[in-house]
Amino acid sequence: EAGVVQSPRYKIIEKKQPVAFWCNPISGHNTLYWYLQNLGQGPELLIRYENEEAVDDSQLPKDRFSAERLKGVDSTLKIQPAELGDSAVYLCASSFGRETDTQYFGPGTRLTVL
Amino acid sequence: AQRVTQPEKLLSVFKGAPVELKCNYSYSGSPELFWYVQYSRQRLQLLLRHISRESIKGFTADLNKGETSFHLKKPFAQEEDSAMYYCAPTLRGKLIFGQGTELSVKP
Repeated sequence: EAGVVQSPRYKIIEKKQPVAFWCNPISGHNTLYWYLQNLGQGPELLIRYENEEAVDDSQLPKDRFSAERLKGVDSTLKIQPAELGDSAVYLCASSFGRETDTQYFGPGTRLTVL
Repeated sequence: AQRVTQPEKLLSVFKGAPVELKCNYSYSGSPELFWYVQYSRQRLQLLLRHISRESIKGFTADLNKGETSFHLKKPFAQEEDSAMYYCAPTLRGKLIFGQGTELSVKP
């Protein structure tokens, strides 16, 4: 089992450009999470999906960020346009979805906006 | 507001010394409590959860509801324990991570 897969692992773009991140969760996991981790901070939840439904997107900056999980499996997080302050690590995680379930994290995508 | 505080950014101990990583939380309701760990060049992963009452890699965590704390302890630190540790209460499925404590165990 490869675990949670994320791509790309690294991305460097210029400000105002669009960028997209992809995540494939562990097979059978209904719940998928996107987190933002700034340097020296813990991860912060951006959005949580249960199957195809975004059940918590309260922390997602909707003016520039969007996400989708069309078939309830893999997911894409997009930023358009990117700003300098978006430089961070974007983490994807998945779980079976119950509150006490372990969340399994991917390796993350390190985004640098120049 | 829900808040998690890990007061130490860096904790440095010698091998064989006891270690305690502090975590205080401010929550309405009764959250489930977790510790996650990230070793160098590895993914963030679960270390232990309060509900399991288990000891993982010699670590235990005691919940003190009166003090709203969930400190992580190990009686004898090992060099391989060097990592970033995150306290993470969860409420209604939402993990709230602390800022993390970097544990450095020196030989």
